[in-house]
Amino acid sequence: DIQMTQSPSTLSASVGDRVTITCRASQSMSTWLAWYQQRPGKAPNLLIYKASSLQSGVSSRFSGSGTGTEFTLTISSLQPDDFATYYCQQYYSYPWTFGQGTKVEIK
Amino acid sequence: EVQLVESGGGLVQPGGSLGLSCAASGLTFNSFVMSWVRQAPGKELEWVSSISGSGSNTYYADSVKGRFTISRDNSKNTLYLQMNSLRAEDTALYYCAKGGPPVGGRYFFDFWGQGTLVTVSS
Repeated sequence: DIQMTQSPSTLSASVGDRVTITCRASQSMSTWLAWYQQRPGKAPNLLIYKASSLQSGVSSRFSGSGTGTEFTLTISSLQPDDFATYYCQQYYSYPWTFGQGTKVEIK
Repeated sequence: EVQLVESGGGLVQPGGSLGLSCAASGLTFNSFVMSWVRQAPGKELEWVSSISGSGSNTYYADSVKGRFTISRDNSKNTLYLQMNSLRAEDTALYYCAKGGPPVGGRYFFDFWGQGTLVTVSS
């Protein structure tokens, strides 16, 4: 199984900050990576697929990059709605696996 | 607009069984892989099972293989998960998720339901 490790686990930031979350895979997986946002009490919402493709309807504040084993999600200017937990997920090989999540908190 | 509505969750004793359903609308249901993803309280997301659009191919996480069965009825636009021999560690919110356009058999989850809670406890 491919293990996904996110860092940091928790991130404290202010509105307007640029935020970067890292996701590392235990083996190379090209760009078969997705990012999701989950607000408290809500279902996950797809932000990015294929490592860097922005899902339709998602703000351009969000961007993704990376290939192989290291990936990043960047929020260019944090907005109040962005305080949530973010998960990466590999879909290179079964079983599909998720990172443990990164909680973005208000500083 | 794609809508996925799960139902069937509840409280069940260890060793018991429960069946979940996911009613889909706003999509050509038989064209997409459908999946179940769960989330234990305060924990990360865990993929459980997926089924191809035709229903002919199914995939399971090792943690549920042999106990859970995924199926679909394309005439009713409904996805199912039959869960047997339930354990305390199966306690979670179970989400139904639609697969995005597959590329070489690979897909992300582009729409999610709101989830149905399964609690396994005596």
